[in-house]
Amino acid sequence: GESVGLHLPTLSVQEGDNSIINCAYSNSASDYFIWYKQESGKGPQFIIDIRSNMDKRQGQRVTVLLNKTVKHLSLQIAATQPGDSAVYFCAENKGLTGGGNKLTFGTGTQLKVEL
Amino acid sequence: ETGVTQSPTHLIKTRGQQVTLRCSSQSGHNTVSWYQQALGQGPQFIFQYYREEENGRGNFPPRFSGLQFPNYSSELNVNALELDDSALYLCASSLNPRGAKNIQYFGAGTRLSVL
Repeated sequence: GESVGLHLPTLSVQEGDNSIINCAYSNSASDYFIWYKQESGKGPQFIIDIRSNMDKRQGQRVTVLLNKTVKHLSLQIAATQPGDSAVYFCAENKGLTGGGNKLTFGTGTQLKVEL
Repeated sequence: ETGVTQSPTHLIKTRGQQVTLRCSSQSGHNTVSWYQQALGQGPQFIFQYYREEENGRGNFPPRFSGLQFPNYSSELNVNALELDDSALYLCASSLNPRGAKNIQYFGAGTRLSVL
């Protein structure tokens, strides 16, 4: 079946270090992926997205890498800060029969930043 | 802030009751999606509304229903509440459902507890 999953449920990093959060997907036809950050008591917040015709995309302190051969995504956060502590989800954007799109989320990775 | 607002923030109901949750989409967005997020899980797609019509539905029973109004705000209704309906209900709005790049912006959610 289709799924978007994460390798590690919890990731602890030292402040200032780089963080790498991984995600595997199973549907080789998927063509659009999004990373969201969810802080406690809040809804998911868009971080960065990538289409399947790209291997890499960079934002402010974040980089997403896409490896279609092994169906794997990663989110890299440079110089991790305490404010980066949150649960991170990768989500696969899928078309609906009616023409819309839905997001399929994985379980998430809890990122903990240690001072 | 995403500009997506949900009400109420918290709600307690008993089994068998009915509940209505509300969502105001970001200005200019005509598409609203609803997700259910159980504790420790990623959000699960319930359905999507576009121009007041249901545009697609996830694997949820008919007792989950919705509406979208001319101003693009939306309601999620759940009848005959069950204990397993206890979750965070998230609303997301997007510019249109059919774009190649359809970023969904989330509200903070409504925490529903069914006793």
